[in-house]
Amino acid sequence: QKEVEQNSGPLSVPEGAIASLNCTYSDRGSQSFFWYRQYSGKSPELIMFIYSNGDKEDGRFTAQLNKASQYVSLLIRDSQPSDSATYLCAVRISGTYKYIFGTGTRLKVLA
Amino acid sequence: EAQVTQNPRYLITVTGKKLTVTCSQNMNHEYMSWYRQDPGLGLRQIYYSMNVEVTDKGDVPEGYKVSRKEKRNFPLILESPSPNQTSLYFCASSLGTVSYEQYFGPGTRLTVT
Repeated sequence: QKEVEQNSGPLSVPEGAIASLNCTYSDRGSQSFFWYRQYSGKSPELIMFIYSNGDKEDGRFTAQLNKASQYVSLLIRDSQPSDSATYLCAVRISGTYKYIFGTGTRLKVLA
Repeated sequence: EAQVTQNPRYLITVTGKKLTVTCSQNMNHEYMSWYRQDPGLGLRQIYYSMNVEVTDKGDVPEGYKVSRKEKRNFPLILESPSPNQTSLYFCASSLGTVSYEQYFGPGTRLTVT
């Protein structure tokens, strides 16, 4: 059974700080990785995707992928109270069109 | 506006009464998928479709059916709903080749009594 693991949190950070969210996955052959933000009662919203080892930056968000260690992380710089949400890590299973989601990390940004 | 739409948004039904949740996308996406989200279990994939008339099972397909007769539509069918199918359901779509990012619909909250 392919798995994606995330710490459920809550992860509390002060406003303006860097929030670091981590995710590990079991399928060594996975090629596609995604971060979604989900507010309570709302649908997941795509924040970042990364397909290659290394860092990918988009505004305040940076996704980091390390395939050798099978982890992907999301950094949120200058965290704002509006960033308070659950962040879901997702992986597309290699050779398939199946996606596995982690159960999410709840982030709380304290004003 | 590029979007995935789902209907109905809320549904309360009784055990055994067949229902269909519709999903439609206007982005000309090849790939569409259904998920259910339950507390503590996260998002789990029910079925997906790579193109018209091509569908496959996700991790939790039991009790569900799908069809893909048109590229833009991917309905989820519960032939005989049971209380354990009470959940929040999301439809998602993506280009499906080269680009695998999925975009989600607003969700359908289903209660089966």
